[in-house]
Amino acid sequence: SAVISQKPSRDICQRGTSLTIQCQVDSQVTMMFWYRQQPGQSLTLIATANQGSEATYESGFVIDKFPISRPNLTFSTLTVSNMSPEDSSIYLCSVEQGWSTDTQYFGPGTRLTVL
Amino acid sequence: KQEVTQIPAALSVPEGENLVLNCSFTDSAIYNLQWFRQDPGKGLTSLLLIQSSQREQTSGRLNASLDKSSGRSTLYIAASQPGDSATYLCAALYSGGSNYKLTFGKGTLLTVNP
Repeated sequence: SAVISQKPSRDICQRGTSLTIQCQVDSQVTMMFWYRQQPGQSLTLIATANQGSEATYESGFVIDKFPISRPNLTFSTLTVSNMSPEDSSIYLCSVEQGWSTDTQYFGPGTRLTVL
Repeated sequence: KQEVTQIPAALSVPEGENLVLNCSFTDSAIYNLQWFRQDPGKGLTSLLLIQSSQREQTSGRLNASLDKSSGRSTLYIAASQPGDSATYLCAALYSGGSNYKLTFGKGTLLTVNP
């Protein structure tokens, strides 16, 4: 199974600023995913990041607000831009190994609080 | 709309008790159903994955069942231990156009009291 690390593990930010979250995997993977978990809510997929192509965003999420980079097969970043208190959530990255219908492996998450 | 619901939202049991967590999904066209455990600061850990053609999967004290026709899955935990305390999430895997996509429930917060 893949081992995934995320930086930072948590942060407290001011309204209007931006935060970039890093996701590092210990092996090469094709598909990487970014999720958001708002307080008391389920995990919601933000976007799918494939190496060498533009990220695919889910309904309700846009690139200007959540730009994603995927420079290689082991690394991705998610930026939360122009933050507001509503962006306070846990952000998780996950990866897929093997077939698309296999299990996904998740990072430890980044807990973001926006004041 | 594809939705996943988990009942109960929270459950507290004494150590040693057997328990069942419930998960229901609105669209039966799933590829698989997965159960995860979420611990604070540790992300999600995959517990069991049931393919759409299967009825159940077992791992140690855990047994997960799947009934596609009724849109339900259960996670059975035998002889619960305090270390089982965590949030348990179920997720249904659907085809989302060019990708497969996991749809999660809100989870059941389990507390096992010594």
